[in-house]
Amino acid sequence: QVLLVQSGPEVKKPGASVKVSCRASGYTFNSYGISWVRQAPGQGLEWMGWINPYNGNINYSPDFQGRVIMTTETSTSTAYLELRSLRSDDTAVYFCARVGYNTIPGGYWGQGSLVTVSS
Amino acid sequence: AIQMTQSPSSLSASVGDRITITCRASQGVRSDLGWYQQRPGKAPKLLIYAASSLQSEVPSRFSGSGSGTDFTLTISGLQPEDFATYYCLQHYTYPFTFGGGTKVEIK
Repeated sequence: QVLLVQSGPEVKKPGASVKVSCRASGYTFNSYGISWVRQAPGQGLEWMGWINPYNGNINYSPDFQGRVIMTTETSTSTAYLELRSLRSDDTAVYFCARVGYNTIPGGYWGQGSLVTVSS
Repeated sequence: AIQMTQSPSSLSASVGDRITITCRASQGVRSDLGWYQQRPGKAPKLLIYAASSLQSEVPSRFSGSGSGTDFTLTISGLQPEDFATYYCLQHYTYPFTFGGGTKVEIK
């Protein structure tokens, strides 16, 4: 079955960087993109972007442009989200999802990774 | 970026009720609109994409309609597991954008 397993919680200081991983299994990794969505505590969902592991194409939300890097490692079927220059309002649960129709976050999601930014 | 506005922000309903949630886009998005359900502490779940296409294994009591700027999600015959927060997402143009969410609570 398709599974996306994300890395564990992180606590970072303002200005630092964090790298969240999302390991996929149960399907051919290069055949589907990976999308990233985040959710601040008690808040709604925020689309961050997506990456195509097959050709490396990426689309970032302008809200994160310059601070976010999405990568994939096909040898381990893992996608990564790196966010730099962390601020307190980056405290959130970060979700990965396999993209479906029209590159939207589809039917398979990771369990979420909590990133806390605090001095 | 396209702004997505959902209404209401919350509603109370009973098991068996029929409810409707509305999502309005700040500009036309054709039929490129999805709906997600999120239960507390869980990842979102895709219910509907392309405005009215039901995602695999989603019960038929969920339905979506609309095009352009105005969309609706209808749940016909609320079940206990349907009490959750629902989000719309426009997938017409990047950056994709979510609505603010509608929390469906038990009356």
